[in-house]
Amino acid sequence: EDQVTQSPEALRLQEGESSSLNCSYTVSGLRGLFWYRQDPGKGPEFLFTLYSAGEEKEKERLKATLTKKESFLHITAPKPEDSATYLCAVQEQGATNKLIFGTGTLLAVQP
Amino acid sequence: DGGITQSPKYLFRKEGQNVTLSCEQNLNHDAMYWYRQDPGQGLRLIYYSQIVNDFQKGDIAEGYSVSREKKESFPLTVTSAQKNPTAFYLCASSISRVTTGELFFGEGSRLTVL
Repeated sequence: EDQVTQSPEALRLQEGESSSLNCSYTVSGLRGLFWYRQDPGKGPEFLFTLYSAGEEKEKERLKATLTKKESFLHITAPKPEDSATYLCAVQEQGATNKLIFGTGTLLAVQP
Repeated sequence: DGGITQSPKYLFRKEGQNVTLSCEQNLNHDAMYWYRQDPGQGLRLIYYSQIVNDFQKGDIAEGYSVSREKKESFPLTVTSAQKNPTAFYLCASSISRVTTGELFFGEGSRLTVL
């Protein structure tokens, strides 16, 4: 069964304390992996697309990386405004119009 | 500003009632989607539409219905046949008819069944 698993479920960091979030997946063939940010009571906001192992994308304090089995979202020197739930989604080869979402990691950055 | 507008933001329904959630986009996107979000679960696809007057069931379409009479509008009706309708409903769009994974989401509608 195709699955997307995110860990940890929740993470509390001090401002400036770097860390990583994990998204592991099991699909027969990966078409793309996507990261989203979701603030409480809001819709998700698209962050990154990764297509192949070894690919990296960066945006401000965030960097996403991809291997054949998992993706990491690295957060460098986080600020309180980085607090949110980060969602990972996977699209399988041939499965157009279908994304498999993980349950997310709730990140809290304390000042 | 371009974007997706969902309404209402909060909705309360009595058991046995149908309710319709509105979703309007001014991004000129071809494809539109409805997802459901429940605590502890990933987003699940209810319905999607790639072009006007056409739509397909997602993974959890039972108890829901949609229409796509205009490119910019994709309303979702939660019918009385939906056994557990209390959830956060998200409408999304993508520029292409084929999902690239880059979805633009609205701010959501929270439905509570009393």
